[in-house]
This record gives sequence, structure tokens and C-alpha cells, in this order.
Amino acid sequence: DTEVTQTPKHLVMGMTNKKSLKCEQHMGHRAMYWYKQKAKKPPELMFVYSYEKLSINESVPSRFSPECPNSSLLNLHLHALQPEDSALYLCASSREGEGYTFGSGTRLTVV
Amino acid sequence: GQNIDQPTEMTATEGAIVQINCTYQTSGFNGLFWYQQHAGEAPTFLSYNVLDGLEEKGRFSSFLSRSKGYSYLLLKELQMKDSASYLCAVNQAGTALIFGKGTTLSVSS
Repeated sequence: DTEVTQTPKHLVMGMTNKKSLKCEQHMGHRAMYWYKQKAKKPPELMFVYSYEKLSINESVPSRFSPECPNSSLLNLHLHALQPEDSALYLCASSREGEGYTFGSGTRLTVV
Repeated sequence: GQNIDQPTEMTATEGAIVQINCTYQTSGFNGLFWYQQHAGEAPTFLSYNVLDGLEEKGRFSSFLSRSKGYSYLLLKELQMKDSASYLCAVNQAGTALIFGKGTTLSVSS
């Protein structure tokens, strides 16, 4: 298995909803990442997990809450989002010093 | 912090060669990556340079000069399907991949 799987592919949520994005990989990668990408912009780093521990939080608002239940899974819990949070959310994983493998992303729309 | 610069847009014709440049300023350099991203899709890995020199992989090559903070991606025998955004990304020690703004390449017939 050489893929990073993200679900759902599309998500529409209201500003009062709570939802979760899921990411899974079975490549034995011990680093996993969440990126946010707006249209025509590069991916922006949000969180880094290394060996299931949060190692980097790029000053992301608390309405985004990451979770790493085990070495294969990464979640992003969403609560009280704003319309400007609408974006493509990308999960990636890697071995140290190697290229990142990205999932196909979740396209999130906040209404 | 990091500063990664690449041209915003480039155009080329089928069969041609195009070079996309990337300059960076960073501390604790730990490698430079090039990714291709088609509209609405995830980035896909193209190449990785950590030492100076040229890495060749089929129609794609990437070059790195660490002393100059400079890299380029060379695409040969361009095809229409190469129309995409090309992202230069630097891996800084102790952090994660940070992306440049990307270069949108348009290939015409």
C-alpha cells in the first residue's frame, strides 16, 4: 500500500456543526501532516505529528483540533468554523528525510 | 524563517524544454523537493535534492546549488499533460516542508 487515504472527499458544513476529517496510511511512515490549501495558493502547513506526538502547531486556531490515535491514523476535528476556512485540506505522511506522500484531500465548504 | 521564490507563471509549447527556477533563504537546510499539482488534485512528488548537482528522472531533472540557495526543475519534451502548477518546497531541519507559491505552467500545441 503506497497511498494516503483521506475521507470524506467533499464536506459541506454549517458554522455550528462539528465534523472530522480522517487520514490513513499503511506505509509505516512515522510523520504525518495536515496542510490547508486555498485556491491558486500553495499548501500551508497546519500540524505535524511525529511518532504520534504533536510536534508542530503553526498557530492554527483552536477550532481546528488534530488527533493521532495510532501510527496509521490522523484526524482533524472541526468545530465552529468560519466561511474563510473553506479550502482543500491535505494530509501527508513521510519517513524522515524523504518526500511526502499526499492524500487526495478533503474539499471543505463552510456555509 | 524561510523565503522561497519562484516565477508565478510560465508558458511553453509542446516538445519544448522549460526550466523553472527556485531560490530560497533558510536555516538548517534539509533538502529541496519539487511537486507537480494539477488543478483540484493533490501534489505529486517529482524530485528530491539534498546534495549539490543534477538529479535526472526521465523527462524531469532537478538541480541544486546549496551555496547559492538555488534550484531548478527542467522539463523536456513537453506534453500537454504537463500543464500544471509546479511547487518548490524546502525541508528545514526541525520543521516540515514549506512550499513556495508555485509556478503555473501552460503548455500549448
